[in-house]
Amino acid sequence: DAGVIQSPRHEVTEMGQEVTLRCKPISGHDYLFWYRQTMMRGLELLIYFNNNVPIDDSGMPEDRFSAKMPNASFSTLKIQPSEPRDSAVYFCASSLAFLAGTQYFGPGTRLTVL
Amino acid sequence: DAKTTQPNSMESNEEEPVHLPCNHSTISGTDYIHWYRQLPSQGPEYVIHGLTSNVNNRMASLAIAEDRKSSTLILHRATLRDAAVYYCILRGLGGATNKLIFGTGTLLAVQP
Repeated sequence: DAGVIQSPRHEVTEMGQEVTLRCKPISGHDYLFWYRQTMMRGLELLIYFNNNVPIDDSGMPEDRFSAKMPNASFSTLKIQPSEPRDSAVYFCASSLAFLAGTQYFGPGTRLTVL
Repeated sequence: DAKTTQPNSMESNEEEPVHLPCNHSTISGTDYIHWYRQLPSQGPEYVIHGLTSNVNNRMASLAIAEDRKSSTLILHRATLRDAAVYYCILRGLGGATNKLIFGTGTLLAVQP
């Protein structure tokens, strides 16, 4: 298996622009997680899905952030409009339901908002 | 969520064993203890997890105290590739608790 796939790997955009991050989980995994990592705040869970349904979005920082999972093999995290403080590395992870603590992380997307 | 406490950093020499401690005095009876590590410029990587008994796998061993208030991740022979941030995480069982809350972890430096 190719593992969790994220795209793009790097994104540089200007403040106010819309940013869409993409994730393909490992085939057959029931859970999908979005995390954000910064030097100041460390690794934070933003939202997670179970069987394509959002379960807990309490970590989403504000309404500018939205996440969708239209099917079992694809998820997006959108920021509109983006701000410089959104600059971070965004990770996607997936897991099997009965091994939900064993999460497999993607390589991350490094987002820079100028 | 129950909290874990880890040293900010540790050092080891290559090919020597490393014992990474974690305190979790408020652990509940159904909390699993998970360890992840994050190599530079990579996403976190699962290492090992356990509930009550000590666990071994190809990467490491996990020793859990009898009262479960602390645990130790053991790398039997450190290599340069083991230099990473190691996170000790408690995870509840089932339902909406199927999430991991990462702390600040322990930065392990391995000297050749």
